[in-house]
Amino acid sequence: GAGVSQSPSNKVTEKGKDVELRCDPISGHTALYWYRQRLGQGLEFLIYFQGNSAPDKSGLPSDRFSAERTGESVSTLTIQRTQQEDSAVYLCASGEYVNTEAFFGQGTRLTVV
Amino acid sequence: AQSVAQPEDQVNVAEGNPLTVKCTYSVSGNPYLFWYVQYPNRGLQFLLKYITGDNLVKGSYGFEAEFNKSQTSFHLKKPSALVSDSALYFCAVSGRGSTLGRLYFGRGTQLTVWP
Repeated sequence: GAGVSQSPSNKVTEKGKDVELRCDPISGHTALYWYRQRLGQGLEFLIYFQGNSAPDKSGLPSDRFSAERTGESVSTLTIQRTQQEDSAVYLCASGEYVNTEAFFGQGTRLTVV
Repeated sequence: AQSVAQPEDQVNVAEGNPLTVKCTYSVSGNPYLFWYVQYPNRGLQFLLKYITGDNLVKGSYGFEAEFNKSQTSFHLKKPSALVSDSALYFCAVSGRGSTLGRLYFGRGTQLTVWP
């Protein structure tokens, strides 16, 4: 079946603009994660959704970042008033349930100019 | 708090030689441990996991990892390296308690296998 799909694959935006990144998880997966990977860096946890539980938002770096998930389906990560330091690859992953392996999408490369 | 350490930023090995990529972890309770690989310009791919049972776990592409509870380690190994194994490898541990489900990743280890 289809893997985790992220769109757009690349996004260039001007500083101060809002951007919305989309993630389509694998069907039936209850767990969904967002991570950020800056150039040459490791993975920085942003937010985690598990079923209908309240999301773990503790990794969001500022109140400019927010994420939503519709049931156990699509998730969107929104960055308001983008800054240059937001430039990174944003990775989405889904898992069948908690503590199982996560399957990653190809990521969205965000460049803020 | 949960954490993962990959003490080596880079590992270089000749093709055909055995390779080891090191990982140590810190977690309360029994850990769930994972290895992922990231090839250039591609997403992360799951390699293998340890949940419970045998300490030696076998995964994709001939890789295996050994869970050592006393040393809190989960080193990735392969008996005979291939040039195509060159990639960025990440170790991860699943959070427990209030951070249940969150995956904590190490900084990554760049593996280079030369011909």
